Amino acid sequence: DGGITQSPKYLFRKEGQNVTLSCEQNLNHDAMYWYRQDPGQGLRLIYYSQIVNDFQKGDIAEGYSVSREKKESFPLTVTSAQKNPTAFYLCASSIGAPPRALHFGNGTRLTVT
Amino acid sequence: AQSVTQLDSQVPVFEEAPVELRCNYSSSVSVYLFWYVQYPNQGLQLLLKYLSGSTLVKGINGFEAEFNKSQTSFHLRKPSVHISDTAEYFCAVSAIIQGAQKLVFGQGTRLTINP
Repeated sequence: DGGITQSPKYLFRKEGQNVTLSCEQNLNHDAMYWYRQDPGQGLRLIYYSQIVNDFQKGDIAEGYSVSREKKESFPLTVTSAQKNPTAFYLCASSIGAPPRALHFGNGTRLTVT
Repeated sequence: AQSVTQLDSQVPVFEEAPVELRCNYSSSVSVYLFWYVQYPNQGLQLLLKYLSGSTLVKGINGFEAEFNKSQTSFHLRKPSVHISDTAEYFCAVSAIIQGAQKLVFGQGTRLTINP
């Protein structure tokens, strides 16, 4: 079945450590996105990528980094510079010229203590 | 810049009652509007979308929404809800800027269905 796989579902890290969240899609979608979800704040865009080897900052990119070396993969690294990294992270993708609905993965819940 | 306001953070209703979840948006460019549903600890699923054409849009699970340009609203409705509709609902507006799509979400409305 086609879809977006985010792993792991739950992730725990100590403060000061970098951590990488995985996002893989087999939908053959060109565009991929990372959102952060906090209670009562909806979803906020971290980074997005329209094609391989290209990505742009979203609204809250500070403390995060991404890469897009393959069409199927868009990993997100939460660095130690991110001041409040505990959140639910959602990866999404879309195909074709916008406007297009986004397809979402099931998310990774990151807890940093 | 575009923004989305969901006017109710929580909406409790009884099973089989009608429900309306309110969404207002602001945008300086042409808008495309979406409603998504999120069940606990899951990603978001598309309920419906407005891109152009008829202002009344029908989606999955019996939901529909009406695009009202003069009131800049895109309210979601269902005539009779079921326990399984308990979830969080997000309204989103898409703007195309320099060829790239940016989807901006509202804060979400938690719909609770009581038996």
